[in-house]
Amino acid sequence: QKEVEQNSGPLSVPEGAIASLNCTYSDRGSQSFFWYRQYSGKSPELIMFIYSNGDKEDGRFTAQLNKASQYVSLLIRDSQPSDSATYLCAVKRSSASKIIFGSGTRLSIRP
Amino acid sequence: KAGVTQTPRYLIKTRGQQVTLSCSPISGHRSVSWYQQTPGQGLQFLFEYFSETQRNKGNFPGRFSGRQFSNSRSEMNVSTLELGDSALYLCASSLVDGRGLNEQFFGPGTRLTVL
Repeated sequence: QKEVEQNSGPLSVPEGAIASLNCTYSDRGSQSFFWYRQYSGKSPELIMFIYSNGDKEDGRFTAQLNKASQYVSLLIRDSQPSDSATYLCAVKRSSASKIIFGSGTRLSIRP
Repeated sequence: KAGVTQTPRYLIKTRGQQVTLSCSPISGHRSVSWYQQTPGQGLQFLFEYFSETQRNKGNFPGRFSGRQFSNSRSEMNVSTLELGDSALYLCASSLVDGRGLNEQFFGPGTRLTVL
């Protein structure tokens, strides 16, 4: 079992709709959770982090965390073609531990 | 505040050679992590340095090594290059403060091609 699992996609969503990206993790002791966006040929860019159960909103993005289910998700409202990218979920156990990345979900927003 | 910088951006080497990549973290950041990214394997953790000490290590052979200097700049070295070492090498820096979150910020990467 991979430590951080994501559906590789591609996930195709019409412009203006809500894109929902999911991630599960195996280490129940994980404390910090991150979402990165990576455009083709570019480096990952941090877009959200969350460490408490519940929802965290930032503009069109909402991160959701459920530690009991070991599940973290990212919702993108009003999806735009510029949101087309690979989204990487990352998990960290403690301040001194390494960050573990999932393999990413490729998102495609169709006009 | 300037972001993470990596040099060189592109590198072409032949099998058997060695290579050194450099990373300058965001000012004030003390942790530097290195990753290898390939289309087939995704983002794979190489190692992390914090205050000049290797704090975490991934599952890579000993040909991959690194170090961190007192100004937090870091270098990674790959010796006896193999074709499979062709990849995008990413450096990420983090602040490491009392919050414990330590979100990482990535540099633009070094694209290494081994012929």
